[in-house]
Amino acid sequence: DTGVSQDPRHKITKRGQNVTFRCDPISEHNRLYWYRQTLGQGPEFLTYFQNEAQLEKSRLLSDRFSAERPKGSFSTLEIQRTEQGDSAMYLCASSQGREGHSPLHFGNGTRLTVT
Amino acid sequence: QKEVEQNSGPLSVPEGAIASLNCTYSDRGSQSFFWYRQYSGKSPELIMFIYSNGDKEDGRFTAQLNKASQYVSLLIRDSQPSDSATYLCAPQSYIPTFGRGTSLIVHP
Repeated sequence: DTGVSQDPRHKITKRGQNVTFRCDPISEHNRLYWYRQTLGQGPEFLTYFQNEAQLEKSRLLSDRFSAERPKGSFSTLEIQRTEQGDSAMYLCASSQGREGHSPLHFGNGTRLTVT
Repeated sequence: QKEVEQNSGPLSVPEGAIASLNCTYSDRGSQSFFWYRQYSGKSPELIMFIYSNGDKEDGRFTAQLNKASQYVSLLIRDSQPSDSATYLCAPQSYIPTFGRGTSLIVHP
């Protein structure tokens, strides 16, 4: 168990640019989640995969955000035409097992700063 | 998604005291809960899981679940400065949702 890995750890970008983050979950975990967290708030759900299928996407999520999980392994989260309000910590988490019975294992996060 | 509410704090306790953290939830169907600890600038990590009414103890930590009153709590005995962090509760769900968490400060 090497843990959930996220890359990059930090990303600074200018408003209007596109950014892509990567998450490598724990290898035997079939569920993968993306959350966003801003200062003083709890993690906010963005989207969720079971294997390669994206099963749920937050209604609050702008269509500038897209996520993929090809082959049910690593996942990418892309933000197009970034805005200053996108500045946050983006957390990836994975879990295994029956619905909701397994805890989330979080990566170290990618901190995005949009200038 | 299942809603949870936590007092954001900060809750300040002296070293050695008992810290009591509470979480209320809106979905009566929630059967079990996870408690996560998040240090400043770090990601959340699981510390406790409780699935039945009553208490569950693990070292200095005790989780309590009261389904009738729809609250879950976390007690930390003999609090240490290293316990200073934000504590998040999340109901068991295929889409875990989080409240704001409670910030705990343990001062020497």
